[in-house]
Amino acid sequence: GDSVTQTEGLVTLTKGLPVMLNCTYQTTYSPFLFWYVQHLNEAPKLLLKSSTDNKRTEHQGFYATLHKSSSSFHLQKSSVQLSDSALYFCALRNMLSGSFNKLTFGAGTRLAVCP
Amino acid sequence: GGIITQTPKFLIGQEGQKLTLKCQQNFNHDTMYWYRQDSGKGLRLIYYSITENDLQKGDLSEGYDASREKKSSFSLTVTSAQKNEMAVFLCASSIPFSNERLFFGHGTKLSVL
Repeated sequence: GDSVTQTEGLVTLTKGLPVMLNCTYQTTYSPFLFWYVQHLNEAPKLLLKSSTDNKRTEHQGFYATLHKSSSSFHLQKSSVQLSDSALYFCALRNMLSGSFNKLTFGAGTRLAVCP
Repeated sequence: GGIITQTPKFLIGQEGQKLTLKCQQNFNHDTMYWYRQDSGKGLRLIYYSITENDLQKGDLSEGYDASREKKSSFSLTVTSAQKNEMAVFLCASSIPFSNERLFFGHGTKLSVL
């Protein structure tokens, strides 16, 4: 079956530094990747999505590039802010008919930004 | 815009008790989901429903029942609460058969004594 791996459980950074949150996936079928962000006591919400190989997608200062050759979709930001402190989930949907409505989530990475 | 409302926000139960969580959405989405969120384990799919009266099992359906009597609502029942269980249950909705986003509710936090 499909799987998503996020290797870091917790990333702690000082404001203004760059960040990269890792996401790798496994699927037999053509993938569609998502990043969701969940702030404390809030609902998860979509941050980025992509199914296009080697094309950078950006939103709210965050960016990610789907690399099918390495099965990766790492999330990056050049300068983190205090408000970026949250839980970040990478998720995978495969394009096989019948699985279209199912997302597989990674374990999540908590980003803590310090002053 | 729309909203997903989950009730209750907090649920405290006893071991062995049957507990029901409710979810309402006004997006007019056909597909609804129930996910369980445990610390360090991400979100795991319990049940989803492609349309009214449809039910599909997810990876974590054992120990749960679900009900979708109408398009706007989706209920989840914990059939027998496990002692010391603690988790957040998230309801979500989306347009079916698309790569559109999932819209999530704020969750129901379950604690079992």
